[in-house]
Amino acid sequence: GAVVSQHPSRVICKSGTSVKIECRSLDFQATTMFWYRQFPKKSLMLMATSNEGSKATYEQGVEKDKFLINHASLTLSTLTVTSAHPEDSSFYICSASYPVRDPWEQYFGPGTRLTVT
Amino acid sequence: AQKVTQAQTEISVVEKEDVTLDCVYETRDTTYYLFWYKQPPSGELVFLIRRNSFDEQNEISGRYSWNFQKSTSSFNFTITASQVVDSAVYFCASPGGSQGNLIFGKGTKLSVKP
Repeated sequence: GAVVSQHPSRVICKSGTSVKIECRSLDFQATTMFWYRQFPKKSLMLMATSNEGSKATYEQGVEKDKFLINHASLTLSTLTVTSAHPEDSSFYICSASYPVRDPWEQYFGPGTRLTVT
Repeated sequence: AQKVTQAQTEISVVEKEDVTLDCVYETRDTTYYLFWYKQPPSGELVFLIRRNSFDEQNEISGRYSWNFQKSTSSFNFTITASQVVDSAVYFCASPGGSQGNLIFGKGTKLSVKP
């Protein structure tokens, strides 16, 4: 149990276009989902926290108008990179929290590699 | 923990050697958890272990072992008889972020050569 999927796994888009990344908890209800970004050879950095039914909380330095997060249901959160530019190229990983089962555990998706040309 | 430090950026060993990856943490909490993840070239994070602050017993799982020492705020990871498939980036982490998120160390890239 506790499987998290991400779609797409890899995406290439042109500069100026928008890209949507989905994060789904397949077999549990995730009240909280986290979005991390990982630049090449770097660590994972939290971008935002997504809570079902409320606005996402963004970390300092992350533009909320550029990285739109929607957590419309207990099993789905989406990250939309609007007007993508080459500097947005990165590896995006989501994780889901399942507090009923274990408040300390996070379950990670397989990640989405975004390349903006 | 609010800060996790992995001082070793890259380690290279020859197959069958033992290797230890260091992790030092800083925390204001009395109760906390520590994690280790493996990230192979595919990018997916592979969960290895979770320890809580109440349990200082060392853990062994096959060729993997972990040494948790509160006195030195360290949670080190040892791979015995390393194999080429162990080549990956290893992250130490702890749920210490303001949103309950994991705080990751910078990672240690392990290269195991045949």
